[in-house]
Amino acid sequence: GQQVMQIPQYQHVQEGEDFTTYCNSSTTLSNIQWYKQRPGGHPVFLIQLVKSGEVKKQKRLTFQFGEAKKNSSLHITATQTTDVGTYFCAGTPGTYKYIFGTGTRLKVLA
Amino acid sequence: ETGVTQSPTHLIKTRGQQVTLRCSSQSGHNTVSWYQQALGQGPQFIFQYYREEENGRGNFPPRFSGLQFPNYSSELNVNALELDDSALYLCASSSEPGIHWDEQFFGPGTRLTVL
Repeated sequence: GQQVMQIPQYQHVQEGEDFTTYCNSSTTLSNIQWYKQRPGGHPVFLIQLVKSGEVKKQKRLTFQFGEAKKNSSLHITATQTTDVGTYFCAGTPGTYKYIFGTGTRLKVLA
Repeated sequence: ETGVTQSPTHLIKTRGQQVTLRCSSQSGHNTVSWYQQALGQGPQFIFQYYREEENGRGNFPPRFSGLQFPNYSSELNVNALELDDSALYLCASSSEPGIHWDEQFFGPGTRLTVL
């Protein structure tokens, strides 16, 4: 079936270091969304990417959608302790459902 | 503008029982999606409701069913509960569904424990 994998599964960084999580789909995606879930919380929408090769920035966060629309990445520059949480990508293959990735849990050490 | 609310917050049931979870969508949203999130995993899509009709379904058995009401609030019903149904159940509301969905606003979830 359709799968969306994320790597790494876990990442521990020192505050101030950069962080990247990668999202890979087994099928072409119509669009992709990124969410952040704090421990004990619920997913919170970060951004949506629609176009092949699209790059979007939000302050220290940079999001990319691959040319083939099968992969995406989220890069955080100079992490802060407030960045702690699990980051999920969620893609839709064009049907009315979203497939969430396996998530990357980020821990930031002060 | 009110956010997405869910009730109850926590629930404990035994195997074989039935459960109903409730969700009120964000003001102005007519689409509700339900997800199951097991501990340490990503949310798994159960189904979506748009204007009171089921609009898409994930790989969940028929004992998972739902409803959407004219005010766009929604219910998730699970019959014949199994131990593996223990999870956080999330509902998410959004505006008109389409090929490119709008952002989904998630509720706080209902933590279901099946003993």
